[in-house]
Amino acid sequence: NAGVTQTPKFRILKIGQSMTLQCAQDMNHNYMYWYRQDPGMGLKLIYYSVGAGITDKGEVPNGYNVSRSTTEDFPLRLELAAPSQTSVYFCASSNKGNTEAFFGQGTRLTVV
Amino acid sequence: AQSVTQLGSHVSVSEGALVLLRCNYSSSVPPYLFWYVQYPNQGLQLLLKYTTGATLVKGINGFEAEFKKSETSFHLTKPSAHMSDAAEYFCAVRDPYGNKLVFGAGTILRVKS
Repeated sequence: NAGVTQTPKFRILKIGQSMTLQCAQDMNHNYMYWYRQDPGMGLKLIYYSVGAGITDKGEVPNGYNVSRSTTEDFPLRLELAAPSQTSVYFCASSNKGNTEAFFGQGTRLTVV
Repeated sequence: AQSVTQLGSHVSVSEGALVLLRCNYSSSVPPYLFWYVQYPNQGLQLLLKYTTGATLVKGINGFEAEFKKSETSFHLTKPSAHMSDAAEYFCAVRDPYGNKLVFGAGTILRVKS
């Protein structure tokens, strides 16, 4: 019963490097989300998707890209890493609007 | 657009005392409301949710919350704090006609022995 799986758990990037944060869910959920968590700021929505092939921007999308080619996977791409992207990233999924979101364990990213 | 305000970034209570964490929301329509808990270095776990029906909602670990439309509030309470309740708590809101799940800034609960 895996739920939402995020990889990697930790990563250090140099400024200007790129990487993809992976997220997979096995609950057949239509909705998937990417959040970043910074101390004292709560969770900010980066991007979300309501189904395969459909994505939309959240509150803080600049510097990130997403794709949703399958129901299960929702990768988050950082093209040119910047120190401001140092954060903890959470992926989540839900079935529909009135149900709760299930969260992965997070990816701690440091950009130096 | 909906938003969430959690009053108090840090709350400290003694073990056995009442826990009260405050959440106010802004939404143009009656929203869906959620409380999540996060323990150190972990993801978020659902405590309870309000969608429709009874306005007093009971969750896990003895927590409950009451939806008050007139006050646009969804405060989280627990009659008697336990040391294991020390964590960060997040209130979240979703517009029933929208797709975004919006979180508050979080409240760190400290329980003193």
